[in-house]
Amino acid sequence: DQQVKQNSPSLSVQEGRISILNCDYTNSMFDYFLWYKKYPAEGPTFLISISSIKDKNEDGRFTVFLNKSAKHLSLHIVPSQPGDSAVYFCAAKGNNDMRFGAGTRLTVKP
Amino acid sequence: KAGVTQTPRYLIKTRGQQVTLSCSPISGHRSVSWYQQTPGQGLQFLFEYFSETQRNKGNFPGRFSGRQFSNSRSEMNVSTLELGDSALYLCASSPRDSYTDTQYFGPGTRLTVL
Repeated sequence: DQQVKQNSPSLSVQEGRISILNCDYTNSMFDYFLWYKKYPAEGPTFLISISSIKDKNEDGRFTVFLNKSAKHLSLHIVPSQPGDSAVYFCAAKGNNDMRFGAGTRLTVKP
Repeated sequence: KAGVTQTPRYLIKTRGQQVTLSCSPISGHRSVSWYQQTPGQGLQFLFEYFSETQRNKGNFPGRFSGRQFSNSRSEMNVSTLELGDSALYLCASSPRDSYTDTQYFGPGTRLTVL
């Protein structure tokens, strides 16, 4: 029962271009969403979050967009840098439950 | 502040054995959660401990158990290991509540079951 889905297992972009990572959820009780970044041999680290009362949250090069009607969120990285190459997990919280997506491996080519 | 530490980092066991993994949270954090990460499944929630009590539990069989000590350190135990238990086991700590607070993850323990 995957309530949070990241349908793209991998994404490759050129340095300096925009990276767009997508995440879909099915549970309408989710009201808080997060993105985590994971490098090999390290645990996930918190990147950015958004509450369901907002549709956009920006932090430097990272922006998260939330479309509640479509139950869809996305993470935009502009401009992408080689150091951004990692696995990105989206997570959703709500009703005392928290679920993670399977992750998207982003590769930023120099 | 030191981050979340997990020991051991790598472990190889055979089917039928049992294993105990350890997690030391960030100093002052009282909530510890455990996750299993497998390719294609993402992070799946195992359980959360707070003040030595299990507060939440995911959908895993009873072979998976845990406990938390008075210093907030936590252990996770898996009995009668199966091949499908091979995974990265991640521990995360938060000040009070994994639901309301940001979680900080350890590097994980890579368990291989042969």
